Amino acid sequence: NAGVTQTPKFRILKIGQSMTLQCAQDMNHNYMYWYRQDPGMGLKLIYYSVGAGITDKGEVPNGYNVSRSTTEDFPLRLELAAPSQTSVYFCASSGGSGTTIYFGEGSWLTVV
Amino acid sequence: GNSVTQMEGPVTLSEEAFLTINCTYTATGYPSLFWYVQYPGEGLQLLLKATKADDKGSNKGFEATYRKETTSFHLEKGSVQVSDSAVYFCALSEGGGATNKLIFGTGTLLAVQP
Repeated sequence: NAGVTQTPKFRILKIGQSMTLQCAQDMNHNYMYWYRQDPGMGLKLIYYSVGAGITDKGEVPNGYNVSRSTTEDFPLRLELAAPSQTSVYFCASSGGSGTTIYFGEGSWLTVV
Repeated sequence: GNSVTQMEGPVTLSEEAFLTINCTYTATGYPSLFWYVQYPGEGLQLLLKATKADDKGSNKGFEATYRKETTSFHLEKGSVQVSDSAVYFCALSEGGGATNKLIFGTGTLLAVQP
């Protein structure tokens, strides 16, 4: 009963470092998403994917990259970490248009 | 563009009090509306949803009615418990959209005191 699994849960990065947040879902969902949540704010969409090999930008894509080589996995790449990327990151998935979106437990990232 | 506006928090209530968290939206077309709940240190969980006007979503004693005439989806619960303390997010999904993206409000922190 895993659902959406994110790793790591916590990470501290230095400015300029790179890292990848991993996301995997076991529900055979076509749609996957990455959101970020800043303190006291709602979630903002970074990137999304409607199927393997297809990705598109959301509201706040700058500084991030994604890939979707399989249905199950949707990693988020930070190339040159900046303090402005300190946030909580949520991966999510859904079966398609109009269906419920399920969220992972979040990844807390601090850039110092 | 589409947007969601929620009442500012935090909301502090005593146990067994009545809860209302206001949510209004701006959207073209016919969005689906959602309430998500985030307990401390956890991810978001779907609390309830409504997909068309006049629908009432309900779960765990919470209710919200999709009001197209007032573009609102207020969350209510008759008697809150300490365990309801969490952040509540109102969200919309553009009706008929191929991408099923959610647009979130800023969230409302609810603190219930015994």
